[in-house]
Amino acid sequence: DTAVSQTPKYLVTQMGNDKSIKCEQNLGHDTMYWYKQDSKKFLKIMFSYNNKELIINETVPNRFSPKSPDKAHLNLHINSLELGDSAVYFCASSQSVNSNQPQHFGDGTRLSIL
Amino acid sequence: QQQVKQSPQSLIVQKGGISIINCAYENTAFDYFPWYQQFPGKGPALLIAIRPDVSEKKEGRFTISFNKSAKQFSLHIMDSQPGDSATYFCAASSSGTYKYIFGTGTRLKVLA
Repeated sequence: DTAVSQTPKYLVTQMGNDKSIKCEQNLGHDTMYWYKQDSKKFLKIMFSYNNKELIINETVPNRFSPKSPDKAHLNLHINSLELGDSAVYFCASSQSVNSNQPQHFGDGTRLSIL
Repeated sequence: QQQVKQSPQSLIVQKGGISIINCAYENTAFDYFPWYQQFPGKGPALLIAIRPDVSEKKEGRFTISFNKSAKQFSLHIMDSQPGDSATYFCAASSSGTYKYIFGTGTRLKVLA
C-alpha cells in the first residue's frame, strides 16, 4: 500500500499546454510538499501546505498553482508549459509542519516538454 | 548561508569498502541533518538523521559523524554492497523554517 502516490508517473506534452499532477498520501500527515528535481538531480522545494494552507512558496513562477482539497491531497497545475519545466516533480509529506520531521516522498512524475 | 555543500559528486567503491560522503553548511541555526537515499526511478527515502547534540549516530552499516564546530557532517557506509549503489543527499533544516535545504547529491556506485 503506497504511502505517497503520484499520478501520472510520466507526462509528455507540448510547450504551451496546461497539465496537472496529482498526489495523495495515506499516512495521516498534516504537511505536504512539492519538489522539483532537475537533470543534475538537484532537489528544490517549490511549495508546502499544512492542513490545506500554503506555508511555503519558493519564488516559483505563477504558472505553477498548487491546490490542496484536503490534507491528504496536494495537486500541482502548470499552465503554459515551457521547455525549462522538464524535470521530475516529487510530492512528499511529513507528520507536521516542523521541519525536523522525516519527509516521505512519492516516486515522482517525469515531465518532458517537447 | 542557506546552502549545503556536498562532496564528492560521484564515488566508486569496491564491495566491502567504506563509502564516505561529506557535507558542509554555514547556517548555525540548522538543527536537523537527515540523509536520504534515492534509487533510479524512485523518490528519496530517509536513511538516517542526526541532531547537533550528538557527534555520531549509527544504524546498521550507516553512520553519521557530526562536527558542530567545523559545521560539517558526513555519512559513512561500512562494508559497502552493490545494493547500496544509489544517489545520496544530505539535507539540513532549522526549527520554524518548515523546509529542508538539500545538498547537490552524490552518485555512489559499489562494484561487485
